[in-house]
Amino acid sequence: AQTVTQSQPEMSVQEAETVTLSCTYDTSESDYYLFWYKQPPSRQMILVIRQEAYKQQNATENRFSVNFQKAAKSFSLKISDSQLGDAAMYFCAYRTSQGGSEKLVFGKGTKLTVNP
Amino acid sequence: GAGVSQSPSNKVTEKGKDVELRCDPISGHTALYWYRQRLGQGLEFLIYFQGNSAPDKSGLPSDRFSAERTGESVSTLTIQRTQQEDSAVYLCASSVGTGGFDTQYFGPGTRLTVL
Repeated sequence: AQTVTQSQPEMSVQEAETVTLSCTYDTSESDYYLFWYKQPPSRQMILVIRQEAYKQQNATENRFSVNFQKAAKSFSLKISDSQLGDAAMYFCAYRTSQGGSEKLVFGKGTKLTVNP
Repeated sequence: GAGVSQSPSNKVTEKGKDVELRCDPISGHTALYWYRQRLGQGLEFLIYFQGNSAPDKSGLPSDRFSAERTGESVSTLTIQRTQQEDSAVYLCASSVGTGGFDTQYFGPGTRLTVL
């Protein structure tokens, strides 16, 4: 079974600075999907960025980018120019590409604090 | 609707009682998922519905948990004879259901507290 590990329970960053959140996963599959979700205190899970394993190019969404290292099974999230609104729990998630099993496997999350 | 909605937002119940949690997916989404999030933890998959196919119930923790969905509409998660360890936030998500790079959109969750 696939597992997702987020080794940083908490991280903090100064406003306008850059922070990187770590995520590693374990799988025997060669094709899969990876996601980062943000969960603010409102509990609403919001998709931040996603990556297909067969694409070598790292995904980017405005201030958010990933460093996808397939051989190392690593999928870190970089937040540039951090803003107060970025403060939240961040969850890394894995999904198989095999049909019929669409569930997401989540890590335990990293709590990000943004200091003014 | 504009997004996934869930009700109630919060539910407090006594140990041993049954509870029903409701999820309204985004209109047109054929896939619907239930997850459980215990305090300080990530989300755990419970059950997945896709159209008229048999649901994937592999994540249900015990036979006290069940879920139904009629067609591509509302889903209800039922927990019978609740226990204190059932206390958690229950999150519902829906997606278009085309597979591939399908994105799951989440509702705000129901916080269940079992006294």
